[in-house]
Amino acid sequence: NAGVTQTPKFQVLKTGQSMTLQCAQDMNHEYMSWYRQDPGMGLRLIHYSVGAGITDQGEVPNGYNVSRSTTEDFPLRLLSAAPSQTSVYFCASRAGGKNIQYFGAGTRLSVL
Amino acid sequence: EDQVTQSPEALRLQEGESSSLNCSYTVSGLRGLFWYRQDPGKGPEFLFTLYSAGEEKEKERLKATLTKKESFLHITAPKPEDSATYLCAVGTGGSEKLVFGKGTKLTVNP
Repeated sequence: NAGVTQTPKFQVLKTGQSMTLQCAQDMNHEYMSWYRQDPGMGLRLIHYSVGAGITDQGEVPNGYNVSRSTTEDFPLRLLSAAPSQTSVYFCASRAGGKNIQYFGAGTRLSVL
Repeated sequence: EDQVTQSPEALRLQEGESSSLNCSYTVSGLRGLFWYRQDPGKGPEFLFTLYSAGEEKEKERLKATLTKKESFLHITAPKPEDSATYLCAVGTGGSEKLVFGKGTKLTVNP
């Protein structure tokens, strides 16, 4: 099993550009989440999904969209990138009834 | 408001020098307290989940304990490969949200 796979690993955007961060898991996990990690702050939840077709907002959802058309994939879309979205983004998944979250290796995003 | 505070922010130990990391929390309805290890440039790696006061869990040189207000991660006779940032998080009520602390960066010198 590959676990949780995030692509790309690094990305540089200009202000106003849009892009999609990809996340895929091969563990058949129901729950998937997106977090951002900024220096001097803990990880913060952006959006999460409890199953295909079901998503909800986390702590810092503004400027981001998600959808979950399959169990395996949970892409995060930046609609119009802003410098404040410069961060490291982590995708995580867990099985229903289990509290262990498995994290991907992260996407390091810079918005100029 | 749910909150997690970790201390110290950074800790330097000599190999074999045991110590503890602290995680204090305030939460409405604890669903679980989680410890993760994060190496530079990588995602967090799960270590332990604790659910109720008095619970303890061990893995190699690490032991996690939980009270009603805080958790400790005890590191016994650490080795350089234990160097990492250790993250504490709490799950609340029926929400999927995890509230993370800022982490403790541990450096173990040979």
